[in-house]
Amino acid sequence: GENVEQHPSTLSVQEGDSAVIKCTYSDSASNYFPWYKQELGKGPQLIIDIRSNVGEKKDQRIAVTLNKTAKHFSLHITETQPEDSAVYFCAASISGGAGSYQLTFGKGTKLSVIP
Amino acid sequence: NAGVTQTPKFRVLKTGQSMTLLCAQDMNHEYMYWYRQDPGMGLRLIHYSVGEGTTAKGEVPDGYNVSRLKKQNFLLGLESAAPSQTSVYFCASSYSTRRGGKQYFGPGTRLTVT
Repeated sequence: GENVEQHPSTLSVQEGDSAVIKCTYSDSASNYFPWYKQELGKGPQLIIDIRSNVGEKKDQRIAVTLNKTAKHFSLHITETQPEDSAVYFCAASISGGAGSYQLTFGKGTKLSVIP
Repeated sequence: NAGVTQTPKFRVLKTGQSMTLLCAQDMNHEYMYWYRQDPGMGLRLIHYSVGEGTTAKGEVPDGYNVSRLKKQNFLLGLESAAPSQTSVYFCASSYSTRRGGKQYFGPGTRLTVT
């Protein structure tokens, strides 16, 4: 099955600096890569996603890049703010029944933004 | 829209007891999923459903059963709870992949089995 490795497990940055979280996946058939943000005591919230036919996607201060050849993808957060502090999860999908996405998650990165 | 809701929010069970977790979504999504989250393990898929009356196994299905009698509801059952099932359980729902496939999560149920 799919295996997703995520690094680093913890990351501290000064407010205003950039943060980068990296993930690698094992199954070359994976074609959908979402990123989730989880605040304490809440469910994961989808913040950005990318499909395998795209190399980069941006949404305001957040961007994701995908390198299919190397089987890795990264989350970039620019101009970090204290409210960006949370646990971030990457995921990769393989096709499930009837075309569903079966997501395999990384183990998470705890991001702390220091004011 | 309430999105994805889960009932209950917290529960404590004794070993061998049974319970059912309820997930409801009001987004008319075709697909629904149950995950468990353990410290340092990320989220792991237990079971999922691609439509009313259909279910399938995920990565860690043992000890759990599911049912999807109505499109908007997905139930997760523990017939005989074990301490290893202490976890936070999340339900998610999505449209089919042809319509985007983005999964939206509920707030979670924290289950402790003593």
